[in-house]
Amino acid sequence: AQSVAQPEDQVNVAEGNPLTVKCTYSVSGNPYLFWYVQYPNRGLQFLLKYITGDNLVKGSYGFEAEFNKSQTSFHLKKPSALVSDSALYFCAVTSNYQLIWGAGTKLIIKP
Amino acid sequence: DAGVIQSPRHEVTEMGQEVTLRCKPISGHNSLFWYRQTMMRGLELLIYFNNNVPIDDSGMPEDRFSAKMPNASFSTLKIQPSEPRDSAVYFCASIWTGGEETGELFFGEGSRLTVL
Repeated sequence: AQSVAQPEDQVNVAEGNPLTVKCTYSVSGNPYLFWYVQYPNRGLQFLLKYITGDNLVKGSYGFEAEFNKSQTSFHLKKPSALVSDSALYFCAVTSNYQLIWGAGTKLIIKP
Repeated sequence: DAGVIQSPRHEVTEMGQEVTLRCKPISGHNSLFWYRQTMMRGLELLIYFNNNVPIDDSGMPEDRFSAKMPNASFSTLKIQPSEPRDSAVYFCASIWTGGEETGELFFGEGSRLTVL
């Protein structure tokens, strides 16, 4: 079955430290890969996507993601976390012209 | 652009009442999605329209739920009769899809439904 896994329900990082939010997927073919962010009481916002080309994709708010085809992973990263990065992060993958969503990872950045 | 506009932002109703949620997609977008978000089940796709036609409604929980898109600028999600387990945040999202689906959805701010 097609699926997206975000193995961590929550990630805690100190402000200024690097952060990683993990995502792995099981989808046939060459899917497009996405990260979205949801701030409290808001809708989801697009952060970045991978379609093809360079495995390191840069997106909004200083985030980047690394695509690894052999590991079927698409981890979200940021070199230096900000308290304002605290939010819920979703990984998503296309399959048959629809999106398959991960369960979300709550990112908490502590001052 | 004003983005995807949803109304109402908050709705509190009693079990058995009819609930209608509304969505105005971004102008020029030809695909519209309704999602439901709960703590227990996360983000669930309810229904997907393309060019105002329902393409996939397999996520609609049961016959109490119905969705329409009478034109390119308006969609409704109706629950009749509503039940407490329908309490959730309902999101509408839109996208322009051409030759290939890129998946870059634009979401509304959501409608938070509480059924007592």
